[in-house]
Amino acid sequence: GENVEQHPSTLSVQEGDSAVIKCTYSDSASNYFPWYKQELGKRPQLIIDIRSNVGEKKDQRIAVTLNKTAKHFSLHITETQPEDSAVYFCAANQAGTALIFGKGTTLSVSS
Amino acid sequence: DAGVIQSPRHEVTEMGQEVTLRCKPISGHNSLFWYRQTMMRGLELLIYFNNNVPIDDSGMPEDRFSAKMPNASFSTLKIQPSEPRDSAVYFCASSLGTRSQETQYFGPGTRLLVL
Repeated sequence: GENVEQHPSTLSVQEGDSAVIKCTYSDSASNYFPWYKQELGKRPQLIIDIRSNVGEKKDQRIAVTLNKTAKHFSLHITETQPEDSAVYFCAANQAGTALIFGKGTTLSVSS
Repeated sequence: DAGVIQSPRHEVTEMGQEVTLRCKPISGHNSLFWYRQTMMRGLELLIYFNNNVPIDDSGMPEDRFSAKMPNASFSTLKIQPSEPRDSAVYFCASSLGTRSQETQYFGPGTRLLVL
């Protein structure tokens, strides 16, 4: 089955800096890669996703890149703000199978 | 839309007791997921349903856990008997499609503490 590894487990940046979170997956058949954000005490919420037919996707300050050959994908947050502080989860699957989540990255943005 | 509704929001029980968690998915959604979240193990999928039918229950820890979805608007996760290691936040989520590649909308979670 699929296995998703996520790094780093914690990340501290200064406001305005960029943050990068990386994930690797094991199943080459996986073709869907979402990212969820969970603020402290709240529920996870989808912030961006990418499918295997594209290599990059952007939404304002957030971007995700995918390298299918290397089986890794990354979340990039530019111009970080204190409200970006949260736990970020990557996930992967192929259609019709369970979505497998990474262990999460706790991002702290200090002002 | 009220979103995914879970009850209770908090549950404190003693080891050996039966615990029932409830979930009402978003109306019109066809898939429902039960997750468990702990610091040590992260976010784990326990079971998911498509159109009320269980599809993958490989994440259910053991026979003490059971889940049902008697209709499109209600699901339960039962733990009997409960153990201290079951203490966690349990999330229910629903999605519109059935491919597990659509946005999952999570409920607020049930924080379970087993003493």
